[in-house]
Amino acid sequence: EAQVTQNPRYLITVTGKKLTVTCSQNMNHEYMSWYRQDPGLGLRQIYYSMNVEVTDKGDVPEGYKVSRKEKRNFPLILESPSPNQTSLYFCASSPQGIGGYTFGSGTRLTVV
Amino acid sequence: EDQVTQSPEALRLQEGESSSLNCSYTVSGLRGLFWYRQDPGKGPEFLFTLYSAGEEKEKERLKATLTKKESFLHITAPKPEDSATYLCAAQLSGNTPLVFGKGTRLSVIA
Repeated sequence: EAQVTQNPRYLITVTGKKLTVTCSQNMNHEYMSWYRQDPGLGLRQIYYSMNVEVTDKGDVPEGYKVSRKEKRNFPLILESPSPNQTSLYFCASSPQGIGGYTFGSGTRLTVV
Repeated sequence: EDQVTQSPEALRLQEGESSSLNCSYTVSGLRGLFWYRQDPGKGPEFLFTLYSAGEEKEKERLKATLTKKESFLHITAPKPEDSATYLCAAQLSGNTPLVFGKGTRLSVIA
């Protein structure tokens, strides 16, 4: 089944403890992206990648890092999480950044 | 600033009561307009892509249309299972990221 897989689905952590949210797609898509979704603010892009070793900042990149060493994987790294990063995170992919994205099921992150 | 605005924020319909959701955009050089459905706690699910004014796409009880300034998602004879948040997003020329609206939360009551 074609899909984008994120892990974990739920995560509660403490301020300052580094964490990684993994994202993997099995559709050979070149484009991958991370979004966060907050009530009243909608979906906002954090980072995106047009291809392996190519990443760019989205609208809200502060406090996040990404890497794209392989085509299928696009992990999101929070080096020192803070409570304002509590949110619902989605990974998405598409063939070339054009057209409809396939989204993962989401990761609900709580930073206390 | 490029913007996508959806209205209404929330819509409550009786089963079988047709209606339309609106998505207006103020982006120059629109490459595509996209509609998604999102169920609570899940990722958005892609529904339609519209590329040019006058274009229409249909799927079951849903029909999406596009003009030069806005898009409509028409829901004909909705059922309770159509209850969800519907998101629209615009993409500018080139491989620029999607700009999402905040969504319309649709509730269909049996």
